[in-house]
Amino acid sequence: GAVVSQHPSRVICKSGTSVKIECRSLDFQATTMFWYRQFPKQSLMLMATSNEGSKATYEQGVEKDKFLINHASLTLSTLTVTSAHPEDSSFYICSARNWPPTTREADTQYFGPGTRLTVL
Amino acid sequence: KQEVTQIPAALSVPEGENLVLNCSFTDSAIYNLQWFRQDPGKGLTSLLLIQSSQREQTSGRLNASLDKSSGRSTLYIAASQPGDSATYLCAVEDTGGFKTIFGAGTRLFVKA
Repeated sequence: GAVVSQHPSRVICKSGTSVKIECRSLDFQATTMFWYRQFPKQSLMLMATSNEGSKATYEQGVEKDKFLINHASLTLSTLTVTSAHPEDSSFYICSARNWPPTTREADTQYFGPGTRLTVL
Repeated sequence: KQEVTQIPAALSVPEGENLVLNCSFTDSAIYNLQWFRQDPGKGLTSLLLIQSSQREQTSGRLNASLDKSSGRSTLYIAASQPGDSATYLCAVEDTGGFKTIFGAGTRLFVKA
């Protein structure tokens, strides 16, 4: 199956700094990537949708100036948490999708392993 | 706006029992539905993917069904094992833009 990687898997930073998280599709081209956030003991919440070469679409309540998303190529999307604060500490998961899919089985999103962000 | 609900929120069963996890969604215009497993502090493991035109999918001891018209899906786990203990998430992908909406999950504990 298709593989999506995230880097780093875990990051600890000081309050006020910026953190960049990378999401890569390793063996397929991802025309669309999604970013999710998961707080402890809660489900995943969609933050934004990014299409290659265009601006990301943010969900209601997500600050686009705080969570900068760049989808510069068909295999890489980055999420930058700017001026991070302790309340931004969370598990961030990306997913990638290719359209049109090459096979019926590939007609879905593939999820990365997640990045745990801790802001001190 | 699509909403996904999972019942029960938590479930504790003895080893060997067959069990059913339920998922309901409010908008039947879905592209597909997927069941995931998530272990504590870990990412998602895809279990079963059901396209909107399909009624069920099976993998080993797992069987997932989809009734799009009623907005329901069930995940059946046969002969549960302690290793099945995890949170199970149901997620629906919509038809316009492929947004995926997750349910809150069912936390399963299988006692040895």
